[in-house]
Amino acid sequence: QSALTQPASMSGSPGQSITISCSGTSSDIGYYNYVSWYQQHPGKAPKLMILDVTYRPSGVSHRFSGSKSDNTASLTISGLQAEDEAIYYCSSYSSSNTYVLGTGTKVTVL
Amino acid sequence: EVQLVESGGGLVQPGRSLRLSCAASGFRFDDYAMHWVRQAPGKGLEWVSGINWNSANIDYADSVKGRFTISRDNVKNSLYLQMNSLRAEDTALYYCAKVYWGSTSRPNGFALWGQGTMVTVSS
Repeated sequence: QSALTQPASMSGSPGQSITISCSGTSSDIGYYNYVSWYQQHPGKAPKLMILDVTYRPSGVSHRFSGSKSDNTASLTISGLQAEDEAIYYCSSYSSSNTYVLGTGTKVTVL
Repeated sequence: EVQLVESGGGLVQPGRSLRLSCAASGFRFDDYAMHWVRQAPGKGLEWVSGINWNSANIDYADSVKGRFTISRDNVKNSLYLQMNSLRAEDTALYYCAKVYWGSTSRPNGFALWGQGTMVTVSS
């Protein structure tokens, strides 16, 4: 149950787009279409942004989108805004009937 | 109001036990799978355990298997985590979480989180 691999940090200017990668294996991301993304602001509980690779829950901005290719999932934030500054975690269901979380990516809006 | 409220955390010595509770309100509790996710101070999220709506399907992370037991009471709208043989590495903020899709036991995203309850394992 090793954690999914994400870049430790990413940054962008307001209005730009960034794409956060999440690398897994053929036993999790590569096998299942059950990838989720969470946003966590300091001192707050995580918030679900994307589930089932591409599904965006109601209330989540259309600026957030998800995708997957082979063993890697991605979260794209378009039109970066100041309130997007947070830590983002990916998650995937795995073949051992468990969930594995990513290492987290701190997004900074310049 | 739709919410989850965790309780039961605290300071405990290594090897001792603790039971966490999560009170749910504002939604049909018995329609959703529930999970525990923890976060060590300054660290990332770690999934701990999950239970489906009728307790028929239960899973644990390898790091807690054999020591932790998840359960639920659909009459009391509550989720529990019995933690035995606690270790220093179990020190974390423990969140309970409700899945997004109801009426299913299939894998899911964690849509609603509580505020967490802190567990500190130290002598």
